[in-house]
Amino acid sequence: DAKTTQPTSMDCAEGRAANLPCNHSTISGNEYVYWYRQIHSQGPQYIIHGLKNNETNEMASLIITEDRKSSTLILPHATLRDTAVYYCIVKLSSTGGSNYKLTFGKGTLLTVNP
Amino acid sequence: GAGVSQSPSNKVTEKGKDVELRCDPISGHTALYWYRQSLGQGLEFLIYFQGNSAPDKSGLPSDRFSAERTGGSVSTLTIQRTQQEDSAVYLCASSPGQGRGYTFGSGTRLTVV
Repeated sequence: DAKTTQPTSMDCAEGRAANLPCNHSTISGNEYVYWYRQIHSQGPQYIIHGLKNNETNEMASLIITEDRKSSTLILPHATLRDTAVYYCIVKLSSTGGSNYKLTFGKGTLLTVNP
Repeated sequence: GAGVSQSPSNKVTEKGKDVELRCDPISGHTALYWYRQSLGQGLEFLIYFQGNSAPDKSGLPSDRFSAERTGGSVSTLTIQRTQQEDSAVYLCASSPGQGRGYTFGSGTRLTVV
């Protein structure tokens, strides 16, 4: 799976949009971008994933650049409960072969301040 | 159930004792995973079960670690002769497969004293 690079930490004011970047310059054409987050003392939580089109769900939006070498997770109105470590993961979508493993890096610690 | 359930939530054990950690995946999810997260570290893959296929045990750190999944549902991770370096949060996740998001449990915090 392609390696990802994320900033170690970010701060965001409550109520503002939080934009979390991720670089994945070695991504291959059939690899998806997944985002998970881990709130303190909890298991990771799936947020969103996409291939090349921008995606939106009730939690967040995912913007993937045209060359697919980077992406941004957007939390449109951050709340204090969004404080967590956010992981960007690139992997094949299928679970065949050895594609099932999620390889977590260090992620970005997002701190939402009041 | 509505989510992945793990028990116990916390376990303190003496060095050298055996422990069993349980995971109840979401009903109907064919894939089940165990990960480990040591303090301040990222998640480390341990083992993967998919349906009736042979599990991928490549992430198990030593032969003291083993896991079973009975009837394609509940899974038990067993650590024999626990060591202090086994102290970590053990996370279980399940997935319906085919690229769908994984759902993690809240984990079992294991402390070996």
